[in-house]
This record gives sequence, structure tokens and C-alpha cells, in this order.
Amino acid sequence: ETGVTQTPRHLVMGMTNKKSLKCEQHLGHNAMYWYKQSAKKPLELMFVYNFKEQTENNSVPSRFSPECPNSSHLFLHLHTLQPEDSALYLCASSRTVNTEAFFGQGTRLTVV
Amino acid sequence: DAKTTQPPSMDCAEGRAANLPCNHSTISGNEYVYWYRQIHSQGPQYIIHGLKNNETNEMASLIITEDRKSSTLILPHATLRDTAVYYCIVRVGNSGGYQKVTFGTGTKLQVIP
Repeated sequence: ETGVTQTPRHLVMGMTNKKSLKCEQHLGHNAMYWYKQSAKKPLELMFVYNFKEQTENNSVPSRFSPECPNSSHLFLHLHTLQPEDSALYLCASSRTVNTEAFFGQGTRLTVV
Repeated sequence: DAKTTQPPSMDCAEGRAANLPCNHSTISGNEYVYWYRQIHSQGPQYIIHGLKNNETNEMASLIITEDRKSSTLILPHATLRDTAVYYCIVRVGNSGGYQKVTFGTGTKLQVIP
């Protein structure tokens, strides 16, 4: 238990669906992150939020839309995804943007 | 962030010490060495970090060479549950603005019974 909780753990969605991934941290951290991990590839940073403000968008397609309503919650809204978007999506948080990150268990997403 | 080089895979006998090397020859003076591990299908787990002194915690020890161009993560008594991919990352510590952290391909450690 890292203090970072992601739901759902598994998600199967069609290409025309809209779904959201949720991340919650109980660590009092100020920075939150979304990462993508495709099969046999390194982790790819997607978005960074610092004090609820987005500070990094790593050239992520607009079909992925993040939302950070407060420092404890982070969402990733998904719409019209492609099969190649199937991956493990990981949320992380850290006390500041330059301290160690704590990761959730991830959401295994399959787009059919 | 400085680039790191790690061997792609290593084996270690259960109960023995696992020594995982990392080269970071272009590390800057204000960059820390961080280690994470990722057990299959789980999120990465922070292990330890250091600047220039050796560090130890309940999980592992980190030995950094005097010139800081390389480091070794030591798991003193490896268990089967330590089988994972281990990532060595160098990054600026708790100062300044955000710097993008890049996870490479890491070292896949297989602990053998």
C-alpha cells in the first residue's frame, strides 16, 4: 500500500466509449502524475500537475484529457481511444515535483 | 537529467546479496541518484536515493563512487519477492523547478531459488 489508489484496476472499453480513470492520494503531496506503460516499453510520462496546475503535457493526444480538481485527486478522461492505447496507466504523487514519487497499482486498459 | 546505463538482466541466488550497477558518467553536481523497482504488473516502488554519501534503509543500500559516475544498489539478502525490474535514475533533488524524469529500460533481476 503506497497511499496512492487507482480505480478501476482493469478496464475494457470500445473505441467509441468515454471512460475515466481515477487516482487518489492520501499522502498530502502537492504533485501528481500520469504515466503510460505499453508492453515491453519504458514508462512514458504523460502529464504533471503541481498544486493543481498542469505543468507538463508530454505531447499527449487530445483523446486523453486530465483533470485535477484538488491536490489529492487526479482523473484521466478517455474518449475515442484506439487499440494501440491499450496499456497500463499509472498515477503517481510526490511531495514536491523534485522528490521521490509514489505510484499507484495502475489501471490495465484494453481498447477493443 | 543525466543518462544512465544499466545491464538489461541479472540473476541472483536466493539469500545472497544482489548488486545492481548503474553508470551515470554525465551526472551533474546537483543531481541525485534514485532507484525504483517494478514488480510485474504493479506500479514502480521507490527504493532509495542519494547524492554522494552511501545510504541505507530497510530495503537496500546505495553505494555511490567518489567521482559519482557510478553507483550500486545492494539488496543484502535477496528473496524471490525481489524479482523485478530495477530502474536507476538521476535527477535534480528538492530544489528548482520540475525536471522531466525518464525511466529507462532498467535491469531485470531474477532471484533464483
